[in-house]
Amino acid sequence: QSALTQPASVSGSPGQSITISCTGTSSDVGGYNSVSWYQQHPGKAPKLMIFDVSKRPSGVSNRFSGSKSGNTASLTISGLQAEDEADYYCCSYAGSSTLIFGGGTKLTVL
Amino acid sequence: EVQLMESGGGLVQPGGSLRLSCAASGFTFSAYAMSWVRQAPGKGLEWVSTISGSGGGTYSADSVKGRFTISRDNSENTLYLQMNSLRAEDTAVYYCAKNSGTYDYFDYWGQGILVTVSS
Repeated sequence: QSALTQPASVSGSPGQSITISCTGTSSDVGGYNSVSWYQQHPGKAPKLMIFDVSKRPSGVSNRFSGSKSGNTASLTISGLQAEDEADYYCCSYAGSSTLIFGGGTKLTVL
Repeated sequence: EVQLMESGGGLVQPGGSLRLSCAASGFTFSAYAMSWVRQAPGKGLEWVSTISGSGGGTYSADSVKGRFTISRDNSENTLYLQMNSLRAEDTAVYYCAKNSGTYDYFDYWGQGILVTVSS
């Protein structure tokens, strides 16, 4: 199964908002409300930022939000801060107890 | 506090075998599915394999099916990944991850362990 499609890179200035898209198919993103997003800083383990499309784990800033429309999920970061600069990955349940990741998006804070 | 600590990585020749371990603490290990996720150098994350809390159900990506075996010892709170017939393309950092109660996302990750397949 092919990876979910994410833009390779996005950028924004401090204080601005950015959105990262994650496009799959009706067999994964579109078929389940089971999209999660992970933040990964260089050399570090991924960190859960959003689960079940739009829920935030305890401790994650409310500047991070998630949504889904059809086969495309989105992660929005508002009020960009320098510490948000990282790689972001979406992940979706894909049926038959399998999970699939997106290719990753590098966020640059200008 | 949930802690996941991988071990067992290293350099192995193509066609060789390696077993990774992940020691878990800070939660009821047997109550949760556990997974391995890998990341090739400079590349994205790839789901590798998941095992149910009881160990009765195992699931793997097509890329490792028939070569990698996930298992767990609930009495020792330890997750394993037996990797056989290793290929150069298996070179990656391997992360141990705890699945959520609903299985469909990873709420805690280990720090990762590097596996290098090269002659």
